[in-house]
Amino acid sequence: QQQVKQSPQSLIVQKGGISIINCAYENTAFDYFPWYQQFPGKGPALLIAIRPDVSEKKEGRFTISFNKSAKQFSLHIMDSQPGDSATYFCAATYNTDKLIFGTGTRLQVFP
Amino acid sequence: DAGITQSPRHKVTETGTPVTLRCHQTENHRYMYWYRQDPGHGLRLIHYSYGVKDTDKGEVSDGYSVSRSKTEDFLLTLESATSSQTSVYFCAISTTRGGGSGNEQFFGPGTRLTVL
Repeated sequence: QQQVKQSPQSLIVQKGGISIINCAYENTAFDYFPWYQQFPGKGPALLIAIRPDVSEKKEGRFTISFNKSAKQFSLHIMDSQPGDSATYFCAATYNTDKLIFGTGTRLQVFP
Repeated sequence: DAGITQSPRHKVTETGTPVTLRCHQTENHRYMYWYRQDPGHGLRLIHYSYGVKDTDKGEVSDGYSVSRSKTEDFLLTLESATSSQTSVYFCAISTTRGGGSGNEQFFGPGTRLTVL
């Protein structure tokens, strides 16, 4: 019930395309869903986050779509660029408790 | 990396050897965390601290211990390293518990540990 399931494990997208990464959860008490971006050799860094009271949040080319009834949320990267090549982790937490991370998606964007 | 340093950055050790990893922050954040990152498992919480001398176990705490005698330092110790503890270890800090409610966790650069 504490797991966050993330897919796909890896993703290859052409420059200019849309990258989509999906996550699913079971615990309906989760109230905060961040996405972290990690470049090789670096620690993860917060990219964008959403709360379950909204269905979508957009920041530049990055959008989180949230489906509360399906207990799913996804990250969309529009106009994907080679510089977006990184590993992306979804996460969830509740009541300001510990973050539960997904298993990660390695994104490669080719020119 | 938000004023977080980890040392050493790389270490190779042998099975049965004690190992201590250090996380040092200059942000004066109250909350600190140790994670391990492994392919197919994402980031898993080992131990965390809510303040000086206030620590607790995370999801994968077996074989690890921690200490926090100063706000700025959080030490992770492998009492007797095993090959299954070969991993990349990340320290993180936050201003609130869990980095939830809109407050993010800031991660250090990581320590790559290899246990032969």
